[in-house]
Amino acid sequence: AQSVTQLGSHVSVSEGALVLLRCNYSSSVPPYLFWYVQYPNQGLQLLLKYTTGATLVKGINGFEAEFKKSETSFHLTKPSAHMSDAAEYFCAVSSNNAGNMLTFGGGTRLMVKP
Amino acid sequence: DADVTQTPRNRITKTGKRIMLECSQTKGHDRMYWYRQDPGLGLRLIYYSFDVKDINKGEISDGYSVSRQAQAKFSLSLESAIPNQTALYFCATSDLSRPQETQYFGPGTRLLVL
Repeated sequence: AQSVTQLGSHVSVSEGALVLLRCNYSSSVPPYLFWYVQYPNQGLQLLLKYTTGATLVKGINGFEAEFKKSETSFHLTKPSAHMSDAAEYFCAVSSNNAGNMLTFGGGTRLMVKP
Repeated sequence: DADVTQTPRNRITKTGKRIMLECSQTKGHDRMYWYRQDPGLGLRLIYYSFDVKDINKGEISDGYSVSRQAQAKFSLSLESAIPNQTALYFCATSDLSRPQETQYFGPGTRLLVL
């Protein structure tokens, strides 16, 4: 079975500050990891994904995430928050054992203060 | 035009009523999914379809049914709606069966069951 835990259902940062959203996963086989973003009244949009190869993955809008197998983590970061980054962020895991099924974390709502 | 569309975008219904949520896609993908989103729980899979003749239950299929009318259309029905089915519902599609393939989401349908 696979699962995802996102630490912190709400994160607040000041504009220009570092964004760090935490994601830990559980998987009995090598995972594929995803970060999706949901802007208000919209569907989910892929930010980035890790499949194989380089463990530091760069995504859209200046976000990146690092796969750390030893820590079973896939934290999402951005060096400098922008007001437009305010949204809900979901971490998800899949694997060869799970077909194309995604298991999502509970989500983290990011608030950006001016 | 959006690749994945959902109708209606908002719906209010009463307990015991039958309702249908519709999803259409122009991406040409074979795989389609229905999820529900609840605060703090992320997205949970209701049903998925690998092709027109293949329908599978997801994690939380009780109280729901689906119909894959064509490659591009996948409908979700609540046979007798109940208040705890109040949620945000998302349709998604993906191109291939590989677990690292990206899923593409519609804008969601917000359902309130009174």
